[in-house]
Amino acid sequence: EAGVAQSPRYKIIEKRQSVAFWCNPISGHATLYWYQQILGQGPKLLIQFQNNGVVDDSQLPKDRFSAERLKGVDSTLKIQPAKLEDSAVYLCASSLVTTEYGYTFGSGTRLTVV
Amino acid sequence: AQSVTQPDIHITVSEGASLELRCNYSYGATPYLFWYVQSPGQGLQLLLKYFSGDTLVQGIKGFEAEFKRSQSSFNLRKPSVHWSDAAEYFCAVGSPGGYQKVTFGTGTKLQVIP
Repeated sequence: EAGVAQSPRYKIIEKRQSVAFWCNPISGHATLYWYQQILGQGPKLLIQFQNNGVVDDSQLPKDRFSAERLKGVDSTLKIQPAKLEDSAVYLCASSLVTTEYGYTFGSGTRLTVV
Repeated sequence: AQSVTQPDIHITVSEGASLELRCNYSYGATPYLFWYVQSPGQGLQLLLKYFSGDTLVQGIKGFEAEFKRSQSSFNLRKPSVHWSDAAEYFCAVGSPGGYQKVTFGTGTKLQVIP
């Protein structure tokens, strides 16, 4: 089966600019996650979708980050405006409805804010 | 709130030597537990998981982990390390039931020397 697709792989922007990341999960996976992984740290959950509804966005900085999954399939994460501290790898993952089988991660988008 | 502690930030082992990576979790009941591996520039790959049954879990690439409820631990082991095992390893804990939330540790970077 195809894996979790993410694009772009790399992005460099100036602070205060906007950026968007795209994720296409594994077919049939109802749950989609966006994680932020800052260098030297473990992944931190930003937002979790169940189909096209938000289940958990408690750690999403809503003043600048937004995410959507309109048709319950692919998803977009946006940052506007970006700050230097947003430099990180943004990982998308998907799973079946329940997580006992673990997640499947995409390769991530490495964002550098200068 | 659930949490994961990986006390070793960096470990160096010789090729062919045995390996044990430590993981301690905090959760009120029996959690789901996972080990993931991340190679440079890549997403995370699931090595193994535990959610019930036999406390010794076998995974891919010759890895195993043992769930010890009394010690709140889920340590990862491999009898003989190969140079290709050099990567970063993340332990994660998930809450069973409902919309599961998975929390990752900060990772242990493994270096393998000839």
